[in-house]
Amino acid sequence: RKEVEQDPGPFNVPEGATVAFNCTYSNSASQSFFWYRQDCRKEPKLLMSVYSSGNEDGRFTAQLNRASQYISLLIRDSKLSDSATYLCVVRTGNTGKLIFGQGTTLQVKP
Amino acid sequence: EAGVAQSPRYKIIEKRQSVAFWCNPISGHATLYWYQQILGQGPKLLIQFQNNGVVDDSQLPKDRFSAERLKGVDSTLKIQPAKLEDSAVYLCASSFSEGYYGYTFGSGTRLTVV
Repeated sequence: RKEVEQDPGPFNVPEGATVAFNCTYSNSASQSFFWYRQDCRKEPKLLMSVYSSGNEDGRFTAQLNRASQYISLLIRDSKLSDSATYLCVVRTGNTGKLIFGQGTTLQVKP
Repeated sequence: EAGVAQSPRYKIIEKRQSVAFWCNPISGHATLYWYQQILGQGPKLLIQFQNNGVVDDSQLPKDRFSAERLKGVDSTLKIQPAKLEDSAVYLCASSFSEGYYGYTFGSGTRLTVV
């Protein structure tokens, strides 16, 4: 079983749509959680951290369910510029290494 | 603040040749990471340094890959000899907080082995 699992998609949605991505992780001792965004042929960039209480940043909402070991990202009012791969990331272990999921590809169409 | 610097941006080599990549982390970041990202996959950690010491190299193919961070600042990753399956983007990242708040990545080196 992979340590961090995501549906690779692609998710094809029209502009203005709401889209949700899910992710599960296997290590119950994981400490920190993130969503990274990666544009084509670019490096991953931190989109947002994910907190147990849930957190929002503009059109983006992240949720964490520790009991189910499940993380989600909701994007409201999708823009063309949201088209990218979204990587679910978990910080785990004593060394604090980040484990990345495969990524979920989003294509927002006009 | 200057970001993580990597060079070269692109490299094409023949199998069995050797190659080296260089990374300069953000100033003050004690933790440095090398990741390998194969097309269609998420980044996979190869090695993690804390200052100039290795913290985790469990997924580094040590028969062909080596890395060093001699003065606790910049780092080099070497592959010798390269195989076709080493074709990937090699990403360097750094962190001041051992990843508690995420990492900052460099723009990566895209390696093609032919």
